[in-house]
Amino acid sequence: AQSVTQPDIHITVSEGASLELRCNYSYGATPYLFWYVQSPGQGLQLLLKYFSGDTLVQGIKGFEAEFKRSQSSFNLRKPSVHWSDAAEYFCAVGPRNTGGFKTIFGAGTRLFVKA
Amino acid sequence: DSGVTQTPKHLITATGQRVTLRCSPRSGDLSVYWYQQSLDQGLQFLIQYYNGEERAKGNILERFSAQQFPDLHSELNLSSLELGDSALYFCASSVDPGRSGNTIYFGEGSWLTVV
Repeated sequence: AQSVTQPDIHITVSEGASLELRCNYSYGATPYLFWYVQSPGQGLQLLLKYFSGDTLVQGIKGFEAEFKRSQSSFNLRKPSVHWSDAAEYFCAVGPRNTGGFKTIFGAGTRLFVKA
Repeated sequence: DSGVTQTPKHLITATGQRVTLRCSPRSGDLSVYWYQQSLDQGLQFLIQYYNGEERAKGNILERFSAQQFPDLHSELNLSSLELGDSALYFCASSVDPGRSGNTIYFGEGSWLTVV
Protein backbone atom coordinates (compact mmCIF):
# COMPACT_ATOMS: atom_id res chain seq x y z
CA ALA A 1 0.00 0.00 0.00
CA GLN A 2 1.10 3.54 -0.66
CA SER A 3 2.07 5.46 2.42
CA VAL A 4 4.17 8.26 3.79
CA THR A 5 5.70 7.99 7.22
CA GLN A 6 7.05 10.85 9.25
CA PRO A 7 8.38 9.02 12.29
CA ASP A 8 8.67 12.07 14.52
CA ILE A 9 5.43 13.63 15.68
CA HIS A 10 7.34 16.55 17.13
CA ILE A 11 10.92 17.70 17.38
CA THR A 12 12.51 20.40 19.50
CA VAL A 13 15.75 22.05 18.46
CA SER A 14 17.65 25.03 19.72
CA GLU A 15 17.85 28.13 17.61
CA GLY A 16 20.96 27.96 15.48
CA ALA A 17 21.17 24.19 15.64
CA SER A 18 20.85 21.96 12.62
CA LEU A 19 17.64 20.18 11.75
CA GLU A 20 16.70 16.98 9.99
CA LEU A 21 13.10 15.86 9.56
CA ARG A 22 12.60 12.33 8.38
CA CYS A 23 10.29 11.08 5.70
CA ASN A 24 9.94 7.56 4.37
CA TYR A 25 7.55 6.46 1.72
CA SER A 26 6.13 3.34 0.21
CA TYR A 27 5.10 3.75 -3.40
CA GLY A 28 4.82 1.60 -6.51
CA ALA A 29 7.31 3.62 -8.51
CA THR A 30 9.54 6.58 -7.96
CA PRO A 31 7.12 9.34 -7.12
CA TYR A 32 7.31 13.07 -7.06
CA LEU A 33 8.31 14.19 -3.59
CA PHE A 34 7.37 17.33 -1.72
CA TRP A 35 7.85 19.08 1.56
CA TYR A 36 5.29 21.60 2.79
CA VAL A 37 5.33 23.83 5.84
CA GLN A 38 2.31 25.01 7.76
CA SER A 39 2.66 27.88 10.20
CA PRO A 40 -0.02 28.18 12.87
CA GLY A 41 -3.33 29.24 11.37
CA GLN A 42 -1.92 29.23 7.86
CA GLY A 43 -2.17 27.08 4.79
CA LEU A 44 0.45 24.67 3.55
CA GLN A 45 3.30 26.35 1.75
CA LEU A 46 5.50 24.42 -0.65
CA LEU A 47 9.10 24.33 0.59
CA LEU A 48 10.64 22.21 -2.14
CA LYS A 49 10.00 19.35 -4.51
CA TYR A 50 11.90 16.60 -6.25
CA PHE A 51 11.00 15.40 -9.69
CA SER A 52 14.23 14.14 -11.22
CA GLY A 53 17.90 14.88 -11.57
CA ASP A 54 20.07 15.94 -8.68
CA THR A 55 18.87 14.10 -5.62
CA LEU A 56 19.71 17.04 -3.37
CA VAL A 57 17.15 19.75 -3.88
CA GLN A 58 17.17 23.25 -2.54
CA GLY A 59 14.06 24.98 -1.35
CA ILE A 60 12.95 28.22 0.13
CA LYS A 61 13.93 29.54 3.56
CA GLY A 62 17.27 27.74 3.46
CA PHE A 63 15.84 24.22 3.47
CA GLU A 64 17.11 21.32 1.43
CA ALA A 65 16.09 17.71 1.05
CA GLU A 66 17.82 14.63 -0.23
CA PHE A 67 16.12 11.84 -2.11
CA LYS A 68 17.58 8.43 -1.38
CA ARG A 69 15.98 5.84 -3.60
CA SER A 70 17.58 2.89 -1.84
CA GLN A 71 16.13 3.99 1.47
CA SER A 72 12.82 5.33 0.10
CA SER A 73 13.52 8.48 2.04
CA PHE A 74 13.28 12.18 1.43
CA ASN A 75 14.61 13.87 4.55
CA LEU A 76 14.42 17.62 5.05
CA ARG A 77 17.38 19.49 6.45
CA LYS A 78 18.39 22.95 7.48
CA PRO A 79 21.86 23.80 8.77
CA SER A 80 20.78 26.51 11.21
CA VAL A 81 17.25 26.82 12.50
CA HIS A 82 15.61 30.16 13.16
CA TRP A 83 12.81 30.74 15.64
CA SER A 84 10.51 31.54 12.72
CA ASP A 85 10.91 27.97 11.46
CA ALA A 86 8.66 26.72 14.24
CA ALA A 87 5.79 25.16 12.34
CA GLU A 88 4.42 21.86 11.16
CA TYR A 89 6.13 20.14 8.27
CA PHE A 90 4.47 17.72 5.90
CA CYS A 91 6.14 15.33 3.52
CA ALA A 92 4.09 14.30 0.51
CA VAL A 93 4.50 11.92 -2.40
CA GLY A 94 2.61 12.00 -5.64
CA PRO A 95 2.40 10.03 -8.86
CA ARG A 96 4.28 10.94 -11.98
CA ASN A 97 1.67 10.26 -14.55
CA THR A 98 -1.73 10.74 -13.05
CA GLY A 99 -3.56 13.30 -11.08
CA GLY A 100 -2.42 15.09 -8.02
CA PHE A 101 -5.37 13.65 -6.17
CA LYS A 102 -3.20 10.66 -5.50
CA THR A 103 -0.73 12.80 -3.62
CA ILE A 104 -0.35 11.34 -0.16
CA PHE A 105 0.60 13.43 2.84
CA GLY A 106 2.40 12.29 5.92
CA ALA A 107 0.96 12.99 9.36
CA GLY A 108 3.32 15.89 9.85
CA THR A 109 6.14 16.75 12.22
CA ARG A 110 5.74 19.71 14.49
CA LEU A 111 8.94 21.64 15.02
CA PHE A 112 9.52 23.57 18.20
CA VAL A 113 12.44 25.98 18.40
CA LYS A 114 13.86 26.95 21.75
CA ALA A 115 15.95 30.02 22.40
CA ASP B 1 0.72 33.99 -1.29
CA SER B 2 -0.06 30.79 -3.17
CA GLY B 3 -2.65 32.40 -5.42
CA VAL B 4 -5.42 30.15 -4.13
CA THR B 5 -8.15 32.19 -2.48
CA GLN B 6 -10.60 30.82 0.03
CA THR B 7 -13.59 32.43 1.68
CA PRO B 8 -14.67 32.75 4.38
CA LYS B 9 -11.57 32.51 6.55
CA HIS B 10 -13.60 31.79 9.66
CA LEU B 11 -17.09 30.48 10.13
CA ILE B 12 -19.06 29.58 13.23
CA THR B 13 -22.35 27.80 12.83
CA ALA B 14 -24.73 25.58 14.74
CA THR B 15 -25.25 21.86 14.46
CA GLY B 16 -27.68 20.89 11.75
CA GLN B 17 -26.89 23.90 9.62
CA ARG B 18 -25.46 24.08 6.13
CA VAL B 19 -22.49 26.13 4.97
CA THR B 20 -20.73 26.78 1.70
CA LEU B 21 -17.01 27.29 1.39
CA ARG B 22 -15.67 28.97 -1.72
CA CYS B 23 -12.38 28.63 -3.52
CA SER B 24 -10.72 30.39 -6.43
CA PRO B 25 -7.78 28.44 -7.83
CA ARG B 26 -4.53 29.91 -9.05
CA SER B 27 -4.76 31.52 -12.41
CA GLY B 28 -4.41 28.84 -15.06
CA ASP B 29 -4.96 25.89 -12.73
CA LEU B 30 -7.65 23.51 -13.88
CA SER B 31 -7.68 21.16 -10.91
CA VAL B 32 -9.18 21.98 -7.55
CA TYR B 33 -8.85 19.83 -4.46
CA TRP B 34 -10.55 19.98 -1.10
CA TYR B 35 -8.90 18.76 2.08
CA GLN B 36 -10.04 18.61 5.66
CA GLN B 37 -7.56 19.04 8.48
CA SER B 38 -8.51 18.18 12.02
CA LEU B 39 -6.47 17.41 15.10
CA ASP B 40 -7.48 13.78 15.27
CA GLN B 41 -7.54 12.92 11.57
CA GLY B 42 -4.74 15.00 10.14
CA LEU B 43 -4.91 16.13 6.51
CA GLN B 44 -7.61 14.22 4.67
CA PHE B 45 -8.27 14.43 0.95
CA LEU B 46 -11.94 14.98 0.26
CA ILE B 47 -12.49 15.46 -3.45
CA GLN B 48 -10.92 16.71 -6.66
CA TYR B 49 -12.35 18.44 -9.69
CA TYR B 50 -10.68 18.94 -13.01
CA ASN B 51 -12.06 21.46 -15.46
CA GLY B 52 -15.56 21.16 -14.05
CA GLU B 53 -15.70 17.41 -13.74
CA GLU B 54 -15.33 15.36 -10.60
CA ARG B 55 -12.03 13.52 -10.88
CA ALA B 56 -11.54 11.71 -7.61
CA LYS B 57 -13.18 11.17 -4.28
CA GLY B 58 -11.49 10.63 -1.00
CA ASN B 59 -12.91 10.53 2.48
CA ILE B 60 -15.84 12.79 1.76
CA LEU B 61 -19.03 12.30 3.73
CA GLU B 62 -22.36 12.01 1.94
CA ARG B 63 -23.45 15.17 3.76
CA PHE B 64 -20.73 17.03 1.90
CA SER B 65 -20.73 17.90 -1.76
CA ALA B 66 -18.67 20.04 -4.07
CA GLN B 67 -18.73 21.44 -7.54
CA GLN B 68 -16.48 23.33 -9.89
CA PHE B 69 -18.00 26.02 -12.02
CA PRO B 70 -17.17 27.03 -15.61
CA ASP B 71 -14.98 29.84 -14.34
CA LEU B 72 -13.10 27.14 -12.39
CA HIS B 73 -13.93 28.36 -8.94
CA SER B 74 -15.22 25.69 -6.62
CA GLU B 75 -17.58 25.40 -3.72
CA LEU B 76 -17.71 22.85 -0.94
CA ASN B 77 -21.12 22.43 0.62
CA LEU B 78 -21.36 20.98 4.10
CA SER B 79 -24.82 20.12 5.38
CA SER B 80 -26.43 18.71 8.53
CA LEU B 81 -23.33 19.84 10.34
CA GLU B 82 -22.12 17.97 13.38
CA LEU B 83 -19.67 18.98 16.06
CA GLY B 84 -17.13 16.65 14.56
CA ASP B 85 -17.14 18.60 11.31
CA SER B 86 -15.27 21.40 13.02
CA ALA B 87 -12.00 21.60 11.15
CA LEU B 88 -9.83 23.58 8.82
CA TYR B 89 -10.90 23.08 5.23
CA PHE B 90 -8.31 23.67 2.57
CA CYS B 91 -8.73 24.23 -1.07
CA ALA B 92 -5.78 23.56 -3.32
CA SER B 93 -5.14 23.71 -7.03
CA SER B 94 -2.75 22.40 -9.61
CA VAL B 95 -2.18 22.95 -13.28
CA ASP B 96 -3.04 19.71 -14.94
CA PRO B 97 -2.88 16.21 -13.51
CA GLY B 98 -1.20 14.92 -16.61
CA ARG B 99 1.61 17.40 -16.79
CA SER B 100 4.91 17.23 -15.07
CA GLY B 101 4.83 18.61 -11.62
CA ASN B 102 1.52 17.75 -10.07
CA THR B 103 2.46 20.36 -7.54
CA ILE B 104 -0.48 21.22 -5.37
CA TYR B 105 -0.77 24.77 -4.07
CA PHE B 106 -2.88 25.40 -1.00
CA GLY B 107 -5.07 28.24 0.09
CA GLU B 108 -4.99 29.52 3.64
CA GLY B 109 -8.02 27.52 4.62
CA SER B 110 -11.46 28.12 6.03
CA TRP B 111 -11.84 27.53 9.74
CA LEU B 112 -15.21 25.97 10.48
CA THR B 113 -16.44 25.76 14.03
CA VAL B 114 -19.69 23.94 14.68
CA VAL B 115 -21.29 24.70 18.05
